[in-house]
Amino acid sequence: GDSVTQMEGPVTLSEEAFLTINCTYTATGYPSLFWYVQYPGEGLQLLLKATKADDKGSNKGFEATYRKETTSFHLEKGSVQVSDSAVYFCALRVNQAGTALIFGKGTTLSVSS
Amino acid sequence: GAGVSQSPSNKVTEKGKDVELRCDPISGHTALYWYRQSLGQGLEFLIYFQGNSAPDKSGLPSDRFSAERTGGSVSTLTIQRTQQEDSAVYLCASSLADLRVSGRSDTQYFGPGTRLTVL
Repeated sequence: GDSVTQMEGPVTLSEEAFLTINCTYTATGYPSLFWYVQYPGEGLQLLLKATKADDKGSNKGFEATYRKETTSFHLEKGSVQVSDSAVYFCALRVNQAGTALIFGKGTTLSVSS
Repeated sequence: GAGVSQSPSNKVTEKGKDVELRCDPISGHTALYWYRQSLGQGLEFLIYFQGNSAPDKSGLPSDRFSAERTGGSVSTLTIQRTQQEDSAVYLCASSLADLRVSGRSDTQYFGPGTRLTVL
C-alpha cells in the first residue's frame, strides 16, 4: 500500500546550521506530496507542497523537490533558526482531490542558539 | 471563522464512558477528515466525508468509533466505551476537494485538535 518513510528524530542542530530531513514514499500513480509542521502547542500547518515530478515547494526558507526517480521529497533549509524547532511531517495524497493524507511518523527538530 | 475549529480542546474521561468530539470546518469546504495522532502510531486517518456521498470509514479502528456530519458542515466523532488505548489527539481537517477548483493541489487545513485522555 501507499506509505511514507521519514528519518527518525530527534534532529538537534545549532542555529544557522543546514537542515535536511529525508522523506521517501511508496505510492501507485503520481501522488501529491506535502510537508506539514507542528510547532509546540500548536496545530498542524501546511509548510509546502508539490503536485508533480520536479516541482519544488518552498516556504519560510524551506524547500523540497519532488523526485520521481528516487521517490523522495527531502526537506531542506540553508540556515535554521531557534523558531524552526518543531515536529515535521512528510505526507502524500493519491491524486484525487478529497482523499486522505498518508503521513510519515514525524521528525522532531530542536535548534539551539 | 477563518479556520477549522474543534471542541473541546481537552477531554479527560473514565474508561468505559462515551465521548463526543466536535469539528467545525472552514466555510465552503465540502470535504472533512478525522485523523488521530498518538505516540505509538503517528498520524492515522480515521474517516472522510465528501458532500452528500457515503463517508469513507476505512480508517476507523473499531466499531466503537463512529462519526456523522450534519448539513454538510459540522461533524461529530463519537467514541463509545472508551479504552485507555483511545488516548490521543484527534485532529479534524477540511478541504475544498473540488477538482474543478483545486485539482491536484487540494490542501487540507487542520484544526488545533482535541486531546483525549482515558483514565
